[in-house]
Amino acid sequence: GNSVTQMEGPVTLSEEAFLTINCTYTATGYPSLFWYVQYPGEGLQLLLKATKADDKGSNKGFEATYRKETTSFHLEKGSVQVSDSAVYFCALSTLGAAGNKLTFGGGTRVLVKP
Amino acid sequence: DSGVTQTPKHLITATGQRVTLRCSPRSGDLSVYWYQQSLDQGLQFLIQYYNGEERAKGNILERFSAQQFPDLHSELNLSSLELGDSALYFCASSATGTEQFFGPGTRLTVL
Repeated sequence: GNSVTQMEGPVTLSEEAFLTINCTYTATGYPSLFWYVQYPGEGLQLLLKATKADDKGSNKGFEATYRKETTSFHLEKGSVQVSDSAVYFCALSTLGAAGNKLTFGGGTRVLVKP
Repeated sequence: DSGVTQTPKHLITATGQRVTLRCSPRSGDLSVYWYQQSLDQGLQFLIQYYNGEERAKGNILERFSAQQFPDLHSELNLSSLELGDSALYFCASSATGTEQFFGPGTRLTVL
């Protein structure tokens, strides 16, 4: 079956530091890959996505590249802000006759200090 | 704002009771998904509906059921509630089958 593994947090950073959150996956077929972000007390927001190998998803200064050879989709941001403090989830889905549910990693809590 | 609405925002009830959670998808989205977020299990897929028909089932207990109505809104029914059912329940909708947009969730507390 499908699975997603992401680094455990919490990750604590200072403002303007570089952020990397590692994510690797196991999937049958050709998955689409996503990063979702959950701010305190809120639902999940789609941050970025990539639907095929070597695609780069980007949004709000965050980037992730779909690496099929290493089955990875690491999230990066060059200079974080306090407002980036949140829980980040890596996820995948595969389209098929049995639907296209999202399979999530365990989430990584990021805390950015001023 | 994702365009997906969920009611109620919070629900507190007792063990053995039954509750109904409601979700309205984004305008035009035919697929609705339900997920459960708990501290011990993380985010788990429960069930998917597409245009009124059940499309896929995940780790959904037999005490739980769902349906999608002709106007595309969906309800998740949880019965014989146990303490362990306390969680955040999210609904998501999709038009493309690729991107899913999540509602704000319903926080269920079973006492």
